[in-house]
Amino acid sequence: GQSLEQPSEVTAVEGAIVQINCTYQTSGFYGLSWYQQHDGGAPTFLSYNGLDGLEETGRFSSFLSRSDSYGYLLLQELQMKDSASYFCAVTGGGNKLTFGTGTQLKVEL
Amino acid sequence: DSGVTQTPKHLITATGQRVTLRCSPRSGDLSVYWYQQSLDQGLQFLIQYYNGEERAKGNILERFSAQQFPDLHSELNLSSLELGDSALYFCASSPWTSGGAGEQFFGPGTRLTVL
Repeated sequence: GQSLEQPSEVTAVEGAIVQINCTYQTSGFYGLSWYQQHDGGAPTFLSYNGLDGLEETGRFSSFLSRSDSYGYLLLQELQMKDSASYFCAVTGGGNKLTFGTGTQLKVEL
Repeated sequence: DSGVTQTPKHLITATGQRVTLRCSPRSGDLSVYWYQQSLDQGLQFLIQYYNGEERAKGNILERFSAQQFPDLHSELNLSSLELGDSALYFCASSPWTSGGAGEQFFGPGTRLTVL
């Protein structure tokens, strides 16, 4: 089976940097993805790490360490619109995604 | 807009009933995935189809079934509904069946309420 752990809630101020960690235990691992979901909305893809290291996409970066079964999502220059839930997800066989329980990010003024 | 469409947007029904949720993937995407999102269980993978064939199964109940048609749209059938089946049901699509760099495109979801 697969399990992913991430903090349930993180609070930060506008303009700050926040890191959301994800640890996983899995059989069959191709990579780690990150998705954003606003209340009542659909999950939207943010980034993917198939290899160890850092991937940068604008204000968002994601990191993976396969040996540590660990990854994180880094959000810089936080904006109010970044308030949402963030999910890490393991890509397994068949491109199937197993999602973590999600981290609710609250951005305050 | 992801390009994935789902109907209906909302569905209210009674226990014991049967419903069908419909999904049209993005143009050109061959893989369709169904997910259930509830408050206590999070986002759970149910089932995947690729070009009409079932490819992977997750935590899908026997009361639930799905299929993908030749035009690639998919339907999720939920029967003998229980209160606990109330949830958001998402459909997602991708061009790949494997090695797809984790990117899936999610539809807006169908909110099912079982009374």
